[in-house]
Amino acid sequence: QLQLQESGSGLVKPSQTLSLTCAVSGGSISSGGYSWSWIRQPPGKGLEWIGYIYHSGSTYYNPSLKSRVTISVDRSKNQFSLKLSSVTAADTAVYYCARGVVAATWDYWGQGTLVTVSS
Amino acid sequence: QSALTQPASVSGSPGQSITISCTGTSSDVGGYNYVSWYQQHPGKAPKLMIYEVSNRPSGVSNRFSGSKSGNTASLTISGLQAEDEADYYCSSYTSSSTLGVFGGGTKLTVL
Repeated sequence: QLQLQESGSGLVKPSQTLSLTCAVSGGSISSGGYSWSWIRQPPGKGLEWIGYIYHSGSTYYNPSLKSRVTISVDRSKNQFSLKLSSVTAADTAVYYCARGVVAATWDYWGQGTLVTVSS
Repeated sequence: QSALTQPASVSGSPGQSITISCTGTSSDVGGYNYVSWYQQHPGKAPKLMIYEVSNRPSGVSNRFSGSKSGNTASLTISGLQAEDEADYYCSSYTSSSTLGVFGGGTKLTVL
């Protein structure tokens, strides 16, 4: 059974960089045919796709966040990471990592981690 | 404002059927068969319930079904149960640069 687990700082100061890691177990992140995504959900609001990376290393980002987002993969550790720079209070959200199977479809999700942007 | 439009809330009594709509455009819902539906209980991660408009992942009850007509996709839950009370989100592939869009979510209340 594939499992994903987010980790990282739960509190980030405004203008700093948010950094999260998603550890994948029960399967290889290098398996072809899947993408590895970050999706977020502000408190009490809906879901927003941030971006994803393929096993090949190709990345795709939401244009509204593209200038601030970097997603990378570490195959040796079977994990992928998110960096979001110049954060503001609007970036406060639960951040999920998920596996993409086909377009706009995610079948396995992490439990989510709350990141609060506050001084 | 979400790219896909869902009703904010729907409700039904145990045993009844309900349908949640998800309206987009010809650039997303209407143009591709990549519509999926997610169930989210409070404090939990979303769970994939339907993919590619009408397919159910292994382990999902056959009380859940999906369909599409034109630019509107629908999720139908039959034989409502108390455990179905949750938020439901649709998502779709889009030909715009975002590549994937979500609906704003629908809160299902089982009366």
